[in-house]
Amino acid sequence: DAGVIQSPRHEVTEMGQEVTLRCKPISGHNSLFWYRQTMMRGLELLIYFNNNVPIDDSGMPEDRFSAKMPNASFSTLKIQPSEPRDSAVYFCASIPGGGGSPLHFGNGTRLTVT
Amino acid sequence: AQSVSQHNHHVILSEAASLELGCNYSYGGTVNLFWYVQYPGQHLQLLLKYFSGDPLVKGIKGFEAEFIKSKFSFNLRKPSVQWSDTAEYFCAVNVPGTYKYIFGTGTRLKVLA
Repeated sequence: DAGVIQSPRHEVTEMGQEVTLRCKPISGHNSLFWYRQTMMRGLELLIYFNNNVPIDDSGMPEDRFSAKMPNASFSTLKIQPSEPRDSAVYFCASIPGGGGSPLHFGNGTRLTVT
Repeated sequence: AQSVSQHNHHVILSEAASLELGCNYSYGGTVNLFWYVQYPGQHLQLLLKYFSGDPLVKGIKGFEAEFIKSKFSFNLRKPSVQWSDTAEYFCAVNVPGTYKYIFGTGTRLKVLA
């Protein structure tokens, strides 16, 4: 079990640039979550996919954020254009089934927007 | 809406001291409960979980937690902490069968050697 894999681990970009974060869930897990962690707001759910379909994107801050899951083994979170207030650690997590199991987190992407 | 409260934001202990971190949630029905640990610069890792049965659950690294339904609490305990327990600890609640996982704001524990 390779765990949830995220890339890159660190991303530093300038305001206005496009940022793409990547996630590979654990094989066989059909639910995928994107969370954002900041000091001020803690862990916030951005979007939840089940069987590659976005079920709840109410946590996505604004239109600058978008997420896709083209297949069961890959998801992306894109920010375009990025702003300094987007600086945070972004975690991807997956579980088998639709809910209830412990979340398996990736190592996160630390995004810094200057 | 469900919420999770972790009252202690920062805790500093000496090695060998006992630890208890509080977690209270607001939801009247059945819940799944979790404690996660996040070591500096790392991802959240599961310490222990409660789904049903014995309200006293044991996890990894000598941690345990007790579910008290009447108090809506799920406090984390460890009899004797080590320097390596320095980390941030998160309590989380899930309504069974749903995708909603609500996290507390976390407690930063620093253990002095």
